[in-house]
Amino acid sequence: AQSVSQHNHHVILSEAASLELGCNYSYGGTVNLFWYVQYPGQHLQLLLKYFSGDPLVKGIKGFEAEFIKSKFSFNLRKPSVQWSDTAEYFCAVNDSGGGADGLTFGKGTHLIIQP
Amino acid sequence: NAGVTQTPKFQVLKTGQSMTLQCAQDMNHEYMSWYRQDPGMGLRLIHYSVGAGITDQGEVPNGYNVSRSTTEDFPLRLLSAAPSQTSVYFCASRNRGLGTEAFFGQGTRLTVV
Repeated sequence: AQSVSQHNHHVILSEAASLELGCNYSYGGTVNLFWYVQYPGQHLQLLLKYFSGDPLVKGIKGFEAEFIKSKFSFNLRKPSVQWSDTAEYFCAVNDSGGGADGLTFGKGTHLIIQP
Repeated sequence: NAGVTQTPKFQVLKTGQSMTLQCAQDMNHEYMSWYRQDPGMGLRLIHYSVGAGITDQGEVPNGYNVSRSTTEDFPLRLLSAAPSQTSVYFCASRNRGLGTEAFFGQGTRLTVV
């Protein structure tokens, strides 16, 4: 079975600081990887995804993530955070066979940006 | 542009009551799933469906039933609500295929007292 580990459950940063959120997964095969964001009181929205090609993927709102296969990692980065980035961030994985059985999520990282 | 619609948004149940959480999508997606979100636990898969008439269990299926009579609808039934089922429930849908994005509904916040 797949599992996803997010290293930081709570992160507090000041505006303009750089962000890196860690995500590691355990699955021996080829995977599809996702980062979702959940703003307060809202549903999950896709930030970015990787399923093949360039391991450095760019998403919305200036976010990017790097897939490092040898480390089973898919860390999320942003060079300069804004107050509006305050949200919960989830890393998720499914297998490349289509993953009809849904996504496996990490437990989430609650990010607070202080003005 | 509705996407995935869940009803109700909020619900309070007494222990032992039954109810159905509704989920409908208008994107003609084959795959639909139900998750529950609990503090510190992330989202956990309850049940999923790969098409009309086909459903299967996820990680935490006990106490829940699903059916998929049409492509659009995927209701989640709580047969006899328990306080442990207090949670936020999200329905999601996506297309078949590699790396396809899952679209989520707005969620249903359920409290069982």
